[in-house]
Amino acid sequence: DAGVIQSPRHEVTEMGQEVTLRCKPISGHNSLFWYRQTMMRGLELLIYFNNNVPIDDSGMPEDRFSAKMPNASFSTLKIQPSEPRDSAVYFCASSLYREDQPQHFGDGTRLSIL
Amino acid sequence: KQEVTQIPAALSVPEGENLVLNCSFTDSAIYNLQWFRQDPGKGLTSLLLIQSSQREQTSGRLNASLDKSSGRSTLYIAASQPGDSATYLCAVRILTGGGNKLTFGTGTQLKVEL
Repeated sequence: DAGVIQSPRHEVTEMGQEVTLRCKPISGHNSLFWYRQTMMRGLELLIYFNNNVPIDDSGMPEDRFSAKMPNASFSTLKIQPSEPRDSAVYFCASSLYREDQPQHFGDGTRLSIL
Repeated sequence: KQEVTQIPAALSVPEGENLVLNCSFTDSAIYNLQWFRQDPGKGLTSLLLIQSSQREQTSGRLNASLDKSSGRSTLYIAASQPGDSATYLCAVRILTGGGNKLTFGTGTQLKVEL
């Protein structure tokens, strides 16, 4: 079975540019999560969706960050404009919408803003 | 606010040794606790999930215990192997309106040496 698929795997861009990260959850999963991982802050939840609807975006750091889930098989996380402090590894995860179900993670996008 | 701490931050052991990783959390009102493994440059792989009503879960050489009242969990790895080298993270699922939110610990970086 295909796991959670993220693209790109690596992204290097200059500050001020728009960055779009993409995620395809596991088929049949109806919860989707975006996380950010840094050495300083560890793994932080940015936003999550249930049945394509954003439920909690309290982890989104600033208005420069936005996330969408237009359908059950695709989500994007956009940063505009990007800043060097946004450099991190961004993970997408999905699960069934049940509290007793584990989350399954993609391999992440390593983002470097110069 | 829920805080999750893991001790030690790093651990190096010889092959074959049994070892224990610790996880503590400040708010005992959790729904469940999940242990993950993260290999360098990769996402998180779910190892074990313990519901709040359970005391332990086992999978192969791994055994996870949960003492919700004291806010603690341990991951026991028997007969460690070099392939067990990775970062291990625990995460608690907290009871919120959304119901499906994980708070991650800081991780323990394990190295098993030949």
